[in-house]
Amino acid sequence: ETGVTQSPTHLIKTRGQQVTLRCSSQSGHNTVSWYQQALGQGPQFIFQYYREEENGRGNFPPRFSGLQFPNYSSELNVNALELDDSALYLCASSNPGEGYNSPLHFGNGTRLTVT
Amino acid sequence: DQQVKQNSPSLSVQEGRISILNCDYTNSMFDYFLWYKKYPAEGPTFLISISSIKDKNEDGRFTVFLNKSAKHLSLHIVPSQPGDSAVYFCAARLTGGGNKLTFGTGTQLKVEL
Repeated sequence: ETGVTQSPTHLIKTRGQQVTLRCSSQSGHNTVSWYQQALGQGPQFIFQYYREEENGRGNFPPRFSGLQFPNYSSELNVNALELDDSALYLCASSNPGEGYNSPLHFGNGTRLTVT
Repeated sequence: DQQVKQNSPSLSVQEGRISILNCDYTNSMFDYFLWYKKYPAEGPTFLISISSIKDKNEDGRFTVFLNKSAKHLSLHIVPSQPGDSAVYFCAARLTGGGNKLTFGTGTQLKVEL
């Protein structure tokens, strides 16, 4: 069983630039969500995608956007990068068919540094 | 507003002894609680969970206890092993919240020989 994979592992961008992070969900998982983990903090929910539609969003501005593709892979796009966007970005997938309480499975994350 | 709190940033335990990690929450609408373990340079790994209708769930060396009246849960690891050294995150989900988990800030567990 293939787990959640994310790319790239590390990325350095300049303030004001745009970035795209990618995620392949675990085999059979049709729901993907993205989290931001700042240094010393727990992960914070950004948004969730199911059947290629965003169906849940945390307290993040519109410059954080996403896509989910028919093969359930996903992208996180961040426009107009700010220094505070420096964080570990985690992708997680789940399969609602496994039950209401099926846990999230996380990838290893992308470490984004904004200078 | 931190709805899930882990007030101990670190914990040190001797190998073979019990590790107890604590978590407090403020929102009574949370219906499902999870513990994740995280090693450096890796994503969080699911460890164990508990539904709000239960007060205990056990899986091998790991047991989670839920006290709804106190809005408190704890993770017990017995016996602790050096490989358990990691950051442990408590997380909670609102009823109907899908994949939106609210995480605590984590507790760094160090199991010493």
